This record gives sequence, C-alpha cells and structure tokens, in this order.
Amino acid sequence: QSVLTQPHSASGTPGQRVTISCSGSSSNIGSNTVNWYQKFPGTAPKLLIFGNNQRPSGVPDRFSGSKSGTSASLAITGLQSEDEADYYCAVWDDSLSGVVFGGGTKLTVL
Amino acid sequence: QVQLVQSGSELKKPGASVKVSCKASGYTFTNYAMNWVRQAPGQGLEWMGWINTNTGNPTYARGFTGRFVFSLDTSVSTAYLQISSLMAEDTAVYYCARERAPYSSSFDWGQGTLLTVSS
Repeated sequence: QSVLTQPHSASGTPGQRVTISCSGSSSNIGSNTVNWYQKFPGTAPKLLIFGNNQRPSGVPDRFSGSKSGTSASLAITGLQSEDEADYYCAVWDDSLSGVVFGGGTKLTVL
Repeated sequence: QVQLVQSGSELKKPGASVKVSCKASGYTFTNYAMNWVRQAPGQGLEWMGWINTNTGNPTYARGFTGRFVFSLDTSVSTAYLQISSLMAEDTAVYYCARERAPYSSSFDWGQGTLLTVSS
C-alpha cells in the first residue's frame, strides 16, 4: 500500500490529452515538491517533471505537472504511441523522513 | 554529463551476500546524496534509503534495516549497496540514484542491477 495513491492504469488515443493523478497528504505533497518519472520495461526511470511543474531539458512540452493542496497531476497532451509506459510520482515525506513513490500508473495508448 | 554506471547482473543462492556498485562521473561526487531504489518483479519503485556522500552517514527506509548496508569509496566516486543473508524476496532490480537537490526526491538514475536469488 503506497503512501501516494495513483490510478493503476490510464489510457488514451493518439493526439488525446490524458492526466494521471497522485494523491497524498499534508506531510508529503502538501509540504514538498512533486516529481514525476517515466519508466519503460527493462530501463531505468527517467525524470519527467521536477519541482511540481519543471521539465528537465529534453523533455517535450507535451508533458506538464501541477500541484494543488495534497494532490498532484501529470498531463500529457498530443498523446503518442511512444508515451506508453509506467509513470510514477515521488515526493519527500516529512513524517517518514524519506522519499515515497506512488504505486505507478500504466499508460496505454490505444 | 552526469553518469551513474552500475555493476552487472548477479545470480546468488539464498543465504549468500552481494555487493552492487554504482560509479559516478560528470559531477563532484561528494556534493550530492546517493539514494537506492528497488523494483521487485511486477512491483513499483520502492525507496531503500540514502547515504550522505560527504559524511558517509547512511539512512535506511523502513524494511531495509539490518541486512542492507550503504557504503562509499569517495576516492573512486563509487557508492555500494551490500545485501547479506539473501532471500528469494530480494530478487529485484536495484537502482542507485543521485539526488539533484537535498530532500527533493528528484533523481538522476543508474541503469539498474538485476539481482536474482535462487537455489
């Protein structure tokens, strides 16, 4: 049972906009910045969004992050087949004094 | 550019020990904390803890105390994860991850090391 709650799965068709939610609490999302990772099977996670809504260089602007209160969201616009992957949110938790990950969301491009 | 290169896959028998290495390059090793993350088969990412690369002080997440040891060799910019008394449940991919800013959970990642524990 993850401290951060993400939907197990999400889907969309090419060109659509999809969002993935990440729900936490006051000790994690409510007081620290959220990061999002993209992970393909057999490869290392890749930082997609840091600091709630910042994109590392090289990440397309189709990916965006937002945070409100104790929840965060990752939005992908202009969905492409290559976006089919697992997505994880992560944040520091003050109560646990450690990093917590969401359970991950498997994105399927139909 | 930042690079974290981990040691290769390991196949170990139950009860044995393993030491995974993570060699860093492209930055000042002692300026950034090193974290360890596990992904068991079919499961999500699980944070194991971190080591202060300046002081060598490790911090272990719940569930990763006792058999797990983080260590460093700063002379070769390398972090290590040692796991003793291996069990089948330790079968997983282990990642080292450089924390980009303190307590940020924002990471640059190694390529991962697959550990298989089987008799």
